[in-house]
Amino acid sequence: EVQLLESGGGLVQPGGSLRLSCAASGFRFATYAMGWVRQAPGKGLEWVAVISGNGGDPFYAESVQGRFTISRDNSKDTLFLQLNSLRAEDTAVYFCAKDGPRIGYYGELDYWGQGTLVTVSS
Amino acid sequence: DIQMTQSPSTLSASVGDRVTITCRASQSISSWLAWYQQRPGKAPKLLIYKASNSESGVPSRFSGSGSGREFTLTISGLQPDDFATYYCQHYNSYPWTFGQGTKVEIE
Repeated sequence: EVQLLESGGGLVQPGGSLRLSCAASGFRFATYAMGWVRQAPGKGLEWVAVISGNGGDPFYAESVQGRFTISRDNSKDTLFLQLNSLRAEDTAVYFCAKDGPRIGYYGELDYWGQGTLVTVSS
Repeated sequence: DIQMTQSPSTLSASVGDRVTITCRASQSISSWLAWYQQRPGKAPKLLIYKASNSESGVPSRFSGSGSGREFTLTISGLQPDDFATYYCQHYNSYPWTFGQGTKVEIE
């Protein structure tokens, strides 16, 4: 059974940093691209970042480019999101998600964690 | 960036109804479109990929169609579990973007 468990969320002041983790199990982690999607309170979904199975090819939403860094440790089946220079508008539940099994492209997020809440406030 | 616009934003329906949600892209995305269902307080669930392909385990009452710029998600015979918010998402190019969501409510 595929499981994704996020951690690392919490309350942080504007300008601060956090590191989110997503522990994966139930599938060959290194084989799949992984991504982060966030959802501000009462709002819709916003794609944040994606990374390929081997850790290359990271891509980011413009709203986080230069402030957030996605990475992974395939030896520990764990995905990370480093959040720097945080702003109030980054307040959201952050979901990690696994890319689908189709070969040759990314984009279909077939398993999701339950999310971790990041609150940016003074 | 490619913008995704869903309509309607809210839809009131009854159990057994056939409902259709539309998603329009600001430019052609071929068939690079997914649909997700999100129940309150839960993570999204993939329903449809590549515009018209059903994810394994998704009930057959959910179907997707379209290509280019206009897409639809149809639920044929709404069930109590289907009252939720639905999102489209393109993955034609980076950045991927989601529609703003369509909330399906009980009439």
